[in-house]
Amino acid sequence: GQQLNQSPQSMFIQEGEDVSMNCTSSSIFNTWLWYKQEPGEGPVLLIALYKAGELTSNGRLTAQFGITRKDSFLNISASIPSDVGIYFCAGRNNNDMRFGAGTRLTVKP
Amino acid sequence: KAGVTQTPRYLIKTRGQQVTLSCSPISGHRSVSWYQQTPGQGLQFLFEYFSETQRNKGNFPGRFSGRQFSNSRSEMNVSTLELGDSALYLCASSVWESTEAFFGQGTRLTVV
Repeated sequence: GQQLNQSPQSMFIQEGEDVSMNCTSSSIFNTWLWYKQEPGEGPVLLIALYKAGELTSNGRLTAQFGITRKDSFLNISASIPSDVGIYFCAGRNNNDMRFGAGTRLTVKP
Repeated sequence: KAGVTQTPRYLIKTRGQQVTLSCSPISGHRSVSWYQQTPGQGLQFLFEYFSETQRNKGNFPGRFSGRQFSNSRSEMNVSTLELGDSALYLCASSVWESTEAFFGQGTRLTVV
């Protein structure tokens, strides 16, 4: 099925900087999810969003469910070296879940 | 609470063989979905099971099949393996079909 459009594809930032990534779709989703994956491991759920317009935080992470239900963004504030990894967005409707291609984040100390 | 468990973690098979991968979901979760992850294609949906019924299927050939048991554990099978089947196979479980999904660590399959 059609994957989500996630950008940017990669980011190289300095420790302490803020990061923003987003995901868009041509389809409406009931749920937006953000995952982080490290090498050799499965994706780990960071934030789940269930309502259009919802803004949710998890520590230094903040995500929003777009009002049109076709997009979502993830912000990471004051990045640290352990934030390194690939971040995926996912849109979910019942038995259908689509993923973005991922944003590869590199944090320079 | 134990997470999603996938076995085995690593597997090497030769072309033409078949393979069965196992996934034990989080206790109480009834939905299990499977994904193939490759560097070139990203996360590709294979299929989803809920209460032993396949609810959705991705765009993969019939060599890829799965099933779910009454205890919600799931298996996926790939027959007549091809080199291109080498990938990380991920399983995710959720309480219902539309709630957040939690992934296992995956099974790294290498076909030689």
